[in-house]
Amino acid sequence: LAKTTQPISMDSYEGQEVNITCSHNNIATNDYITWYQQFPSQGPRFIIQGYKTKVTNEVASLFIPADRKSSTLSLPRVSLSDTAVYYCLVGPDNDYKLSFGAGTTVTVRA
Amino acid sequence: NAGVTQTPKFQVLKTGQSMTLQCAQDMNHEYMSWYRQDPGMGLRLIHYSVGAGITDQGEVPNGYNVSRSTTEDFPLRLLSAAPSQTSVYFCASSYSRHRSYNEQFFGPGTRLTVL
Repeated sequence: LAKTTQPISMDSYEGQEVNITCSHNNIATNDYITWYQQFPSQGPRFIIQGYKTKVTNEVASLFIPADRKSSTLSLPRVSLSDTAVYYCLVGPDNDYKLSFGAGTTVTVRA
Repeated sequence: NAGVTQTPKFQVLKTGQSMTLQCAQDMNHEYMSWYRQDPGMGLRLIHYSVGAGITDQGEVPNGYNVSRSTTEDFPLRLLSAAPSQTSVYFCASSYSRHRSYNEQFFGPGTRLTVL
């Protein structure tokens, strides 16, 4: 499995855009990039998945450059309720053993 | 759909006791898994199953047993509880014809304390 590196924590304010970058230099050709969100005392929740270029849904956007060695999760206009831990996972689409690292703790302040 | 349900929500055990954490899903998912999450850390995979009758070990399987007799249920058994097993346990499921294995649905968790 490709190893990922992401910042331990990030602070932001309500209404700002938050961008979390994940490095995955050893990503394989058949690997996908998946992001999860975890609120305190809850299980993680799938946010978005992509392979290349840009993916957007109602929650976030995922930007993946051509070399795929990194990816950026973008949360537009965050609110206090976006305070959570965000995990970047890299592996094949049929991976039975996805690995969750420590994630990035995003704190949104008023 | 209830999604993924876990019982109990909280449990306190004494060292050496055994117990079963229950997990059920009503989404007809083929894949189910158990994770543990220690304070300030990510999730570590304990065991997983790709279908009824099929189970395999994850990253930290020692001290735990699983079975998958039906598609819906995936119980986790602690054979002889130890303080090192104090953690929050999450069950997850994924994969149907329209979803990938990577899009997992997690239960609310069981907070276990072993004294």
